[in-house]
Amino acid sequence: GQQVMQIPQYQHVQEGEDFTTYCNSSTTLSNIQWYKQRPGGHPVFLIQLVKSGEVKKQKRLTFQFGEAKKNSSLHITATQTTDVGTYFCAGGMDSSYKLIFGSGTRLLVRP
Amino acid sequence: SAVISQKPSRDICQRGTSLTIQCQVDSQVTMMFWYRQQPGQSLTLIATANQGSEATYESGFVIDKFPISRPNLTFSTLTVSNMSPEDSSIYLCSVTGGYGYTFGSGTRLTVV
Repeated sequence: GQQVMQIPQYQHVQEGEDFTTYCNSSTTLSNIQWYKQRPGGHPVFLIQLVKSGEVKKQKRLTFQFGEAKKNSSLHITATQTTDVGTYFCAGGMDSSYKLIFGSGTRLLVRP
Repeated sequence: SAVISQKPSRDICQRGTSLTIQCQVDSQVTMMFWYRQQPGQSLTLIATANQGSEATYESGFVIDKFPISRPNLTFSTLTVSNMSPEDSSIYLCSVTGGYGYTFGSGTRLTVV
């Protein structure tokens, strides 16, 4: 079946260090979305990428969608303690509005 | 984006019983999605609920175990039936307006 894998599973960084999580799909995606889930909270939408090779930025966060539309990455520059949480990618499949979530990367930031 | 009210926020239930989870959206939406998230894990789609038609279930989920109602464009319920400890999880509803998905705050279910 369709799978979306994400690495690493965990990342523990010192505040101020950079962080990157990678997402890889077994099939071509119509779009890729990124979500952040704080401990004890629910997933919150960050961004959606649709075009091959697309790059979007939100302040210290940079999102990329691969040329083949099968992989994506989220990069955080100079992490802060407020970045703590689990980051999920989610692949949109065809036009069904279904999302397949990646396994998530849990980010811990040492102050 | 839409605002979703989900309840109950948590419950502890006896095995063999059923629990119905409700989601109310502040705007009309065509599709509502129900997810399960086991502790420390990712989200797994249970089913897609359309108003006026049967829900569409994903592989591994069946209507007898997870009956869904969708009486109108702002409301849906998911029932977890004949519960066992393996059903202990967080259940979330979700909607989309075409750009990103909004999630309810989740129902943390513990089956004892």
